[in-house]
Amino acid sequence: AQSVTQPDIHITVSEGASLELRCNYSYGATPYLFWYVQSPGQGLQLLLKYFSGDTLVQGIKGFEAEFKRSQSSFNLRKPSVHWSDAAEYFCAVGATGNQFYFGTGTSLTVIP
Amino acid sequence: GAVVSQHPSRVICKSGTSVKIECRSLDFQATTMFWYRQFPKQSLMLMATSNEGSKATYEQGVEKDKFLINHASLTLSTLTVTSAHPEDSSFYICSAQRGVKETQYFGPGTRLLVL
Repeated sequence: AQSVTQPDIHITVSEGASLELRCNYSYGATPYLFWYVQSPGQGLQLLLKYFSGDTLVQGIKGFEAEFKRSQSSFNLRKPSVHWSDAAEYFCAVGATGNQFYFGTGTSLTVIP
Repeated sequence: GAVVSQHPSRVICKSGTSVKIECRSLDFQATTMFWYRQFPKQSLMLMATSNEGSKATYEQGVEKDKFLINHASLTLSTLTVTSAHPEDSSFYICSAQRGVKETQYFGPGTRLLVL
């Protein structure tokens, strides 16, 4: 069965520090992988996606993610976090039948 | 491109009434739209998948007679919560997709409060 795991429920980083949010998936075939960000009371905004090709994908707002098939991971990174990055981050895998499976989310707090 | 809107953004209704939420893809045609429900500080729970012109496919445990979904055109899907109860209070989010296995673009969500 398909599943997505985000091991970190909550992460706190200092502004300017680097960030890595973990995402592991379980899926039998080649996955379509996504990272979305959600601000309080808002919908989800796509940060980046991986369908095929280069395993290091660049997204908006300075984010990037690396697909590692051997580790079944798609971790999100940012070299220098800004206070406006504080939000909830969701990893998702797109499966056959068009469904998306979301992780439980990681809440990011940025301290000045 | 790929903007999805929802209306209303927030609604308060009395128990027993019905509420309709609209989801529109503003600048693209969406062959598939999805409806999710999100509880506070939790992930999104897929309620149903709807394709234009056909009946929606509901996830297990979602009452199709309570959550009526209509996907009348390639740019509009509606979710009607019938005979709403306080336990239906939640954040409802729709998403739209151009084609199979493409990115889902999400609306801003609708906060429903049933008194």
